[in-house]
Amino acid sequence: GQNIDQPTEMTATEGAIVQINCTYQTSGFNGLFWYQQHAGEAPTFLSYNVLDGLEEKGRFSSFLSRSKGYSYLLLKELQMKDSASYLCAIGNTGKLIFGQGTTLQVKP
Amino acid sequence: EAQVTQNPRYLITVTGKKLTVTCSQNMNHEYMSWYRQDPGLGLRQIYYSMNVEVTDKGDVPEGYKVSRKEKRNFPLILESPSPNQTSLYFCATGGAWGYTFGSGTRLTVV
Repeated sequence: GQNIDQPTEMTATEGAIVQINCTYQTSGFNGLFWYQQHAGEAPTFLSYNVLDGLEEKGRFSSFLSRSKGYSYLLLKELQMKDSASYLCAIGNTGKLIFGQGTTLQVKP
Repeated sequence: EAQVTQNPRYLITVTGKKLTVTCSQNMNHEYMSWYRQDPGLGLRQIYYSMNVEVTDKGDVPEGYKVSRKEKRNFPLILESPSPNQTSLYFCATGGAWGYTFGSGTRLTVV
């Protein structure tokens, strides 16, 4: 079976750093994706990890440990526009399995 | 401009009336997929296609059909819609480097 867990909600302050965790159990693994989704809009691609380690893209970084079934998304210098849902997803040969997402609220 | 185009954006229909949601991509990608998104359940994959004439079931295929006669189009067909298919639907295309989603179709079945 496959299971992906993320916290349901998080709150952080503008300008701060926040880490959103994702743990997973899966029978197959081709890579781990992070997406951002604003309410009522389509998910937009943030990052992709296939090997262990840290991938950095501007204010966003994503980390993967395959042996631990663990990933996190790190958002630095938070801005109000970062208030959104963040979706962790596992790729498995054509299938893309999403967690339920973490709703992040950024406060002034 | 790379695009995934879904139509319609909004649709209200009645139980049992066949409908088709269209999805078209101009990125020449082999892979396309359909998802539905429901509160508390997240995004769930309905069907996906690795190439023309190749389709496979995702996690929630019941009540849906798809076809992939050409690379750019991947329509989602509801032969006999029911109220439990009321949802927000997304089409996506791409590959291991990332997926691009369409703008979504909000379907209400009454």
